[in-house]
Amino acid sequence: QVLLQESGPRLVKPSQTLSLTCNVSGGSLSSGGYYWMWIRQHPGKGLEWLGYIYYSGGPYYRPSLESRITISTDMSRSQLSLHLTSVTAADTGIYYCARESIAAPAMFDSWGQGTLVTVSS
Amino acid sequence: SSELTQDPSVSVALGQTVRITCRGDSLTSYYATWYQWKPGRAPVLVIFGKGSRPSGIPDRFSGSSTGNTASLTISGAQAEDEADYFCYSRDTSGDLRVFGGGTKLTVL
Repeated sequence: QVLLQESGPRLVKPSQTLSLTCNVSGGSLSSGGYYWMWIRQHPGKGLEWLGYIYYSGGPYYRPSLESRITISTDMSRSQLSLHLTSVTAADTGIYYCARESIAAPAMFDSWGQGTLVTVSS
Repeated sequence: SSELTQDPSVSVALGQTVRITCRGDSLTSYYATWYQWKPGRAPVLVIFGKGSRPSGIPDRFSGSSTGNTASLTISGAQAEDEADYFCYSRDTSGDLRVFGGGTKLTVL
């Protein structure tokens, strides 16, 4: 079973870049058949899909974030990455990485535990 | 990308039936999947496709879809069903993804 673990700074200053990694164990980013996702949850709010990448394509991004977001993979380190530039307090939230099967769209088969990122000076 | 709309909260008496709905333009083309989410745990898939249940999900959980609305029905709600439920699907383009805002189910 694949395990996902998010990591990165818990506090980011406004206007700076939020950078998170998702360590993938028990599976490979280079194996086809999966979308690798980033998702976030604002405090007390619902989930918000941010984007995904997969072995043979993407990335695809949430349209409202397209100018600020980058999702990439480092196969050698088995890591999925998220970079979000020019952050504001509105980017505060719990950030999750997750995996979705290409053969079964909109069905997650693994989630990270999430990491809380606060944007504040 | 057009999000999905859910009622923020719903309550049901123990043993009664409750329906949780999810509305969105993309649901006229794509099925929603439904997840149960309890604090501190990973979301659990309860309904996918046309109303299928993964193995291990009790048959009191059922799903349906009509037009732009998907529904999750719990027939004979149990105390352990108290949780947040969210729907998830593709957007109208099929390439992106959208979430419902989540419905907090309280079992009285």
